[in-house]
Amino acid sequence: EVHLEESGGGLVQPGGSLRLSCAASGFTFSNYWMHWVRQVPGKGLLWVSRIKTDGTGTSYADSVKGRFTVSRDNAKNMLFLQMNSLRAEDTAVYYCTRDSGLGLDYWGLGNMVTVSS
Amino acid sequence: DIQMTQSPSFVSASVGDRVSITCRASQDIRFWLAWYQQKPGKAPKLLIYGASNLQSGVPSRFSASGSGTDFTLSISSLQPEDFATYFCQQSNSFPLTFGGGTKVEI
Repeated sequence: EVHLEESGGGLVQPGGSLRLSCAASGFTFSNYWMHWVRQVPGKGLLWVSRIKTDGTGTSYADSVKGRFTVSRDNAKNMLFLQMNSLRAEDTAVYYCTRDSGLGLDYWGLGNMVTVSS
Repeated sequence: DIQMTQSPSFVSASVGDRVSITCRASQDIRFWLAWYQQKPGKAPKLLIYGASNLQSGVPSRFSASGSGTDFTLSISSLQPEDFATYFCQQSNSFPLTFGGGTKVEI
């Protein structure tokens, strides 16, 4: 059974950093592109970042470019999102999600990140 | 960026009703469209991929159509568990973008 579980969120002050992790199981992690998507509670979904299978190809939303870095460790079936220079508008639930090639077919439960002083 | 516009934002319906939701892309996305269902406090769930293909395990009362810029998600006979928010999403180009969502309410 495919399972994705995020961790590492919490409360951080503006300008601070957090590193989100996503542990993957139940599938061959190295075969799939992975994404981070975030959602302000009660609002819509915003795509944040994508990483290709071998980690060499990454893309970011303009709103996080230069501040966030996505990476993966295929040997440990782990996905990461390093978030620096955090702003209040980065406050959201962050989901890791698997890309089937035609849709985002599995999602983690999400991890809340709150940026506030 | 490709803008995705969903309508309506809210639908008030009853069990057994047929409901349709539309999604319009700001440019041609061919068939690179997916639909998701999200319930409160839960992660989105993939319903439809490739504009009209039912994801495994999704009930057949869900159907979808469209290509290019105009797409539709339909629920043929609304069930109690279908009351949720539905999002469309394009994967024709980066950044991936989502529609604003349609909340289906009782």
